[in-house]
Amino acid sequence: KAGVTQTPRYLIKTRGQQVTLSCSPISGHRSVSWYQQTPGQGLQFLFEYFSETQRNKGNFPGRFSGRQFSNSRSEMNVSTLELGDSALYLCASSLIRGGHNEQFFGPGTRLTVL
Amino acid sequence: KQEVTQIPAALSVPEGENLVLNCSFTDSAIYNLQWFRQDPGKGLTSLLLIQSSQREQTSGRLNASLDKSSGRSTLYIAASQPGDSATYLCAVRPRYGNKLVFGAGTILRVKS
Repeated sequence: KAGVTQTPRYLIKTRGQQVTLSCSPISGHRSVSWYQQTPGQGLQFLFEYFSETQRNKGNFPGRFSGRQFSNSRSEMNVSTLELGDSALYLCASSLIRGGHNEQFFGPGTRLTVL
Repeated sequence: KQEVTQIPAALSVPEGENLVLNCSFTDSAIYNLQWFRQDPGKGLTSLLLIQSSQREQTSGRLNASLDKSSGRSTLYIAASQPGDSATYLCAVRPRYGNKLVFGAGTILRVKS
């Protein structure tokens, strides 16, 4: 079974631009979560989508948004990029059925904001 | 607010040594606890998942224990190998909400 895939793997943007990252979960997984990893703050939860609905949201500004499609693929968008948005963005999927809620992570998208 | 702490922050050991990584959390109302491994610049690999009702889980040379009432978990690695060198992360899922709260990690180096 294929794992979680994320595209693109690397991205370089300049301040003020916007960016869209994509995540394809493991087949059959309906929950997709996004996390930001930085050296200073570690891993922080951004949001979770389940059946195309945002169920949980972390403490990030409104510039960070996401969505989920009917095939469970998810995208996150960051508008008006700031230098501090440079980070590794990780996507995780989980089954959410019968107590099976182990989260499986993708390889991440490395975003650099110049 | 749930907070997760991992001790030590870094550890360097010779090959073959058995070692213990520690994780503590402030709120015992958790759904489960997961241990991950992260290689430099890469994503997270799930090592072990312990449900809140369980005491321990084992996979190969890895054994993780959970003491929910005291807010602690340990990851035991037997007969360490250079390939075990990585950052080990502990994460708890609160009772409500499918999100993980992570510790800062333990950077492990196993010397050959």
